[in-house]
Amino acid sequence: SQTIHQWPATLVQPVGSPLSLECTVEGTSNPNLYWYRQAAGRGLQLLFYSVGIGQISSEVPQNLSASRPQDRQFILSSKKLLLSDSGFYLCAWSVTGGNYEQYFGPGTRLTVT
Amino acid sequence: DQQVKQNSPSLSVQEGRISILNCDYTNSMFDYFLWYKKYPAEGPTFLISISSIKDKNEDGRFTVFLNKSAKHLSLHIVPSQPGDSAVYFCAANNYGQNFVFGPGTRLSVLP
Repeated sequence: SQTIHQWPATLVQPVGSPLSLECTVEGTSNPNLYWYRQAAGRGLQLLFYSVGIGQISSEVPQNLSASRPQDRQFILSSKKLLLSDSGFYLCAWSVTGGNYEQYFGPGTRLTVT
Repeated sequence: DQQVKQNSPSLSVQEGRISILNCDYTNSMFDYFLWYKKYPAEGPTFLISISSIKDKNEDGRFTVFLNKSAKHLSLHIVPSQPGDSAVYFCAANNYGQNFVFGPGTRLSVLP
C-alpha cells in the first residue's frame, strides 16, 4: 500500500532563517506530487506541483521554492522565512493519469517568530 | 476569484440526523469533484468523489450530488455521528489538472 511521509511534524523558525520540509512517498512510482499551505482559518492553497523529477510548477509567487530530486521525494524550501509563511504545510500525491484523487501526508505546522 | 466556494463556514447537526454540506463552483471546465475530511493537525483524507458525467455517487453513509447546470454539489451524511465532526473540503479539477479546494465547512455533530 502507498504511504506518504512528511517531516518535521512541527517547526518553529525565526524570521529570516532558511526552511526545508521534506516529503516522501512509498509504494508507488512516478506520482504527481503537491505542496499545499493552509493558513489559520483558511482553505488549502496549492503552492507547487510536480509531474516528474525536476519538473516543478508554481501556482503562486512567493519566497518559497520546491524541488524534486528523486521520483518520490518532494522538498519545500525557503532561503529567508517571513512571518506570513506561518501555516500548516501539506504534501500530497496522486496517481499519474489516474482517478484524480489526492492523498495527503500528516502535515507540518510551521510557526515563524 | 474563488473558483470553489463553501459559503457555510460552520454547521451544527444533531447526532442521527442528516448533515448537508454545500459547495458551488464557477469554472465550467471542472469535470471531477471530491470531498475531503480533515481533523485538526492532520492531513485531509479523501472521502468521496463524483465525475461530471454522473449526478449522484453513494458510499455508505455518504452521498454526493452534482447539479452541473447550477454548478453546485452537496455532500449528505446520514445518519450523522459525533466522529463525523471535522472540517470538510470540497475540491474540483479538470482532467486531473488545476486542483482547487474550497475554504472548508466545519461540521459539528452534537450527541
